[in-house]
Amino acid sequence: KQEVTQIPAALSVPEGENLVLNCSFTDSAIYNLQWFRQDPGKGLTSLLLIQSSQREQTSGRLNASLDKSSGRSTLYIAASQPGDSATYLCAVDERGSTLGRLYFGRGTQLTVWP
Amino acid sequence: DADVTQTPRNRITKTGKRIMLECSQTKGHDRMYWYRQDPGLGLRLIYYSFDVKDINKGEISDGYSVSRQAQAKFSLSLESAIPNQTALYFCATSDPGRGSLNEQFFGPGTRLTVL
Repeated sequence: KQEVTQIPAALSVPEGENLVLNCSFTDSAIYNLQWFRQDPGKGLTSLLLIQSSQREQTSGRLNASLDKSSGRSTLYIAASQPGDSATYLCAVDERGSTLGRLYFGRGTQLTVWP
Repeated sequence: DADVTQTPRNRITKTGKRIMLECSQTKGHDRMYWYRQDPGLGLRLIYYSFDVKDINKGEISDGYSVSRQAQAKFSLSLESAIPNQTALYFCATSDPGRGSLNEQFFGPGTRLTVL
């Protein structure tokens, strides 16, 4: 069974810092990997999706990398802002007969203070 | 308007009551999913449906049932609610056939409290 781990569980930084959030998964037979943002009590917003054949994806100040062979992904946030405060979730979409199911990590709770 | 909507957004009920959570989508996606989120446990899959005639159990389906009334609607029922079903419930959709690589899109969630 696929297991997804996110480190750290929580992170508190001052505004302007560059951040790295880590995600690891146990089964490298993935179809893609998604990073989501969740605000307190709210739904999930998709930030980036990386195909298994890709190494990275970028959107604005966000950059996500994928090393499928080692089962790792990182989300890099440049020049963090208080508005970046949220929980960041990593999820993998596993190949096979159950294509389409996402396996989630428990998230990294990020606080960016002014 | 939101592409994936869930009703109700919040619900408080008592043990033993039957509860239905509804999900509607305007994205035209074939695949729909129900997840629950518990503090510290992340999201876990309850049921998923790849089209109107295809419904599958996820990893935590016990105590739940679903109905796919149409491509756009997927309902989750708790036949007899119990307190450990208190959680945040999310509906999601995807459609890999549209070149979106099965990117999943989530509704705003339903916060369910069972007393």
